[in-house]
Amino acid sequence: KQEVTQIPAALSVPEGENLVLNCSFTDSAIYNLQWFRQDPGKGLTSLLLIQSSQREQTSGRLNASLDKSSGRSTLYIAASQPGDSATYLCAVRRVDSNYQLIWGAGTKLIIKP
Amino acid sequence: DTGVSQDPRHKITKRGQNVTFRCDPISEHNRLYWYRQTLGQGPEFLTYFQNEAQLEKSRLLSDRFSAERPKGSFSTLEIQRTEQGDSAMYLCASSVGREQFFGPGTRLTVL
Repeated sequence: KQEVTQIPAALSVPEGENLVLNCSFTDSAIYNLQWFRQDPGKGLTSLLLIQSSQREQTSGRLNASLDKSSGRSTLYIAASQPGDSATYLCAVRRVDSNYQLIWGAGTKLIIKP
Repeated sequence: DTGVSQDPRHKITKRGQNVTFRCDPISEHNRLYWYRQTLGQGPEFLTYFQNEAQLEKSRLLSDRFSAERPKGSFSTLEIQRTEQGDSAMYLCASSVGREQFFGPGTRLTVL
């Protein structure tokens, strides 16, 4: 059974710092991995999607890496801003399912001005 | 706005009542998904449609839950005889390719 874990559960850093969020999964048989952002009481916004054959994806100040063999992904945020404050979730798509995503519980990020 | 929309955004009901939520996917997205999210947790998959066909259902979807997508466009999720444990955010997503796009969710509170 696929399980996805995100550590830490919460993180508070001063504005301007570079930071790394971690996501681990137990079954390496994944189709892809997505990172999402969720603001309080809101839906989910997709940030980056990495296919199983890829090592990393970049979008602006965000960089996501994937090491399928070790069951790990990281989301790197450069030069953090208060507007980056949100909960960040990772989700993996199983290869044996019609697009079903298995989710981590998220990391709540607070960027202090 | 051409994103995924959900209605209502908030629903408060008494235990034992029936509730129905609606999701309008992005136009021409043939795949539609329902998820449930409780506080401090990631979403849990409930069900998946490809066009009007319901192709996958989670074991979380008890017989009190039913979902439809009659014309392959909007979808409804009905919960009968609601229980306090049904209180959660119900999220809808749609896709045409690899990436799922999410709506704002419907927050259900069962008193």
